[in-house]
Amino acid sequence: AQSVTQLDSQVPVFEEAPVELRCNYSSSVSVYLFWYVQYPNQGLQLLLKYLSGSTLVESINGFEAEFNKSQTSFHLRKPSVHISDTAEYFCAVSDLSRDDKIIFGKGTRLHILP
Amino acid sequence: DVKVTQSSRYLVKRTGEKVFLECVQDMDHENMFWYRQDPGLGLRLIYFSYDVKMKEKGDIPEGYSVSREKKERFSLILESASTNQTSMYLCASSKKTGERQPQHFGDGTRLSIL
Repeated sequence: AQSVTQLDSQVPVFEEAPVELRCNYSSSVSVYLFWYVQYPNQGLQLLLKYLSGSTLVESINGFEAEFNKSQTSFHLRKPSVHISDTAEYFCAVSDLSRDDKIIFGKGTRLHILP
Repeated sequence: DVKVTQSSRYLVKRTGEKVFLECVQDMDHENMFWYRQDPGLGLRLIYFSYDVKMKEKGDIPEGYSVSREKKERFSLILESASTNQTSMYLCASSKKTGERQPQHFGDGTRLSIL
């Protein structure tokens, strides 16, 4: 069965500094990969997804993630964070054969320091 | 835009009560899901429904049941609430299996069992 590991439960970073949130998944032939964001007191929102094609995917608010098949990773990066990026970020994976079942990581809480 | 609406943001119930959590989606999605979210544990799937009157157990179904009488509505039922069911409950929906579509989430119901 698939599993997802988010290596950091919390990441503090200064405003305007770069950030990387790490995500590794267990090996599978083909997968779909997602990053979701949860702002305080809200549900999860899709940030970006990898289904096929280019291994680098981008969101509208400056985040990007790169699918690395050999390292089974899908790390999320942003070159310069803003206070509004304060949230919890969840990495998720599903198998192509069963794309209705998504396995979520335990989340990484991003703290932006002024 | 997909809208997933959970009937209550906050709910307080007593031990032993029968509790109903309601979820409605407006995008004619086939799949609907109930998760619970606990600190440090991420999201855990309770039940999943892929069609009206169809359901599948998730990872932690014990103590819960579900009902899907209409396509747009998916109810989670706590038959006899216990304090260890105090949690954030998230509903989600998606298009049918094979369409490579992400899940869309409601804002959550924070349930406290006293």
